[in-house]
Amino acid sequence: RKEVEQDPGPFNVPEGATVAFNCTYSNSASQSFFWYRQDCRKEPKLLMSVYSSGNEDGRFTAQLNRASQYISLLIRDSKLSDSATYLCVVSREGSTLGRLYFGRGTQLTVWP
Amino acid sequence: GAVVSQHPSRVICKSGTSVKIECRSLDFQATTMFWYRQFPKQSLMLMATSNEGSKATYEQGVEKDKFLINHASLTLSTLTVTSAHPEDSSFYICSASFEGEGHPLGLYEQYFGPGTRLTVT
Repeated sequence: RKEVEQDPGPFNVPEGATVAFNCTYSNSASQSFFWYRQDCRKEPKLLMSVYSSGNEDGRFTAQLNRASQYISLLIRDSKLSDSATYLCVVSREGSTLGRLYFGRGTQLTVWP
Repeated sequence: GAVVSQHPSRVICKSGTSVKIECRSLDFQATTMFWYRQFPKQSLMLMATSNEGSKATYEQGVEKDKFLINHASLTLSTLTVTSAHPEDSSFYICSASFEGEGHPLGLYEQYFGPGTRLTVT
């Protein structure tokens, strides 16, 4: 079983839509959780960390359910510039310092 | 912010040749560097972890004699793909970790290089 599972999509939504991505992880020893964004043929970039209490950064809201080993990302009021692949990432350490386990990513296309 | 560079950004080589990819941390000293490989529409797969001055730790299934990693200094790690074959064609990405301040999860952060696209013909 893969360490991190994601629905690959693709998700195609109009501007202004709300879209949600889900992710599950298999190792209960995972300690920290992140969403990265990867544009085509580029390196991944940290979008936001995910905390147990849930956290929000502008139009982006991340949730973590440790009991279900489930992570989500909600994007409100989608912009064209949100088009990218969103990677669910987990670590067994309390930071992004060490080994990261990546999901295969969920592709999002926002159309005008 | 911290910057990691990779060189070259793109390389095309013939089957059987060796290719060296450099990963540099430009404004910080990296305690650890990681090498990943990503095939189209697949996730990043960690190949190896390297610490300055010591041998790299390879992930299961990654041939250490084929993918040579040298981490000679706190700002430079190199990956050499020896006797490259078409199936080695992929996107190779390095990342570097350093001790930083103010990170909400602790004292550390990891940053990614822009990647090197290798095509073996």
